[in-house]
Amino acid sequence: DGGITQSPKYLFRKEGQNVTLSCEQNLNHDAMYWYRQDPGQGLRLIYYSQIVNDFQKGDIAEGYSVSREKKESFPLTVTSAQKNPTAFYLCASTTSRNPSTDTQYFGPGTRLTVL
Amino acid sequence: SQQGEEDPQALSIQEGENATMNCSYKTSINNLQWYRQNSGRGLVHLILIRSNEREKHSGRLRVTLDTSKKSSSLLITASRAADTASYFCATAGGTSYGKLTFGQGTILTVHP
Repeated sequence: DGGITQSPKYLFRKEGQNVTLSCEQNLNHDAMYWYRQDPGQGLRLIYYSQIVNDFQKGDIAEGYSVSREKKESFPLTVTSAQKNPTAFYLCASTTSRNPSTDTQYFGPGTRLTVL
Repeated sequence: SQQGEEDPQALSIQEGENATMNCSYKTSINNLQWYRQNSGRGLVHLILIRSNEREKHSGRLRVTLDTSKKSSSLLITASRAADTASYFCATAGGTSYGKLTFGQGTILTVHP
């Protein structure tokens, strides 16, 4: 899992609540990413950030929000507007300096369950 | 929709056998990468092949890339029970600054 930490490992949310998932990296990477993974599926990109104080929507951004106030941190908020939030959430980072060779380093993930 | 489509969805083999997984994609790419995921864990990068490369090796892994067919294959030789995991291909295209598009993965089970 490299130098990326995610917390908590398991998270339970009641319907109508917002919850925030933490992602921290000590790899000095510029870019960070949030993915959602549903059972038996691949990863879908929620949001990504190439530099501090800037971020872009991915393929499934509706019902999610992010911030990038520090290079090391990229928290994801799952809002009550996300109708089906139960999933496994993965954070990743990369140096973002060479699109031809950059590989992503992943955190261990947070499993979110809506009660 | 997912860029990569992987085949087979699941593969079950005995220890010592070779495992081959295939990935197809739709648009032009800078590189194609393979990742491994143990159950309930994060992904780990295995190997990257650039669009101008045709074959690459890393230990027991061999990756091929055919850009004319928009396809790639991952071969794991002499498989071990510890290779049991899900394997994903991911493509990086254009000036995506490391942004990847993942396939749906192949679940590999290696029986001891």
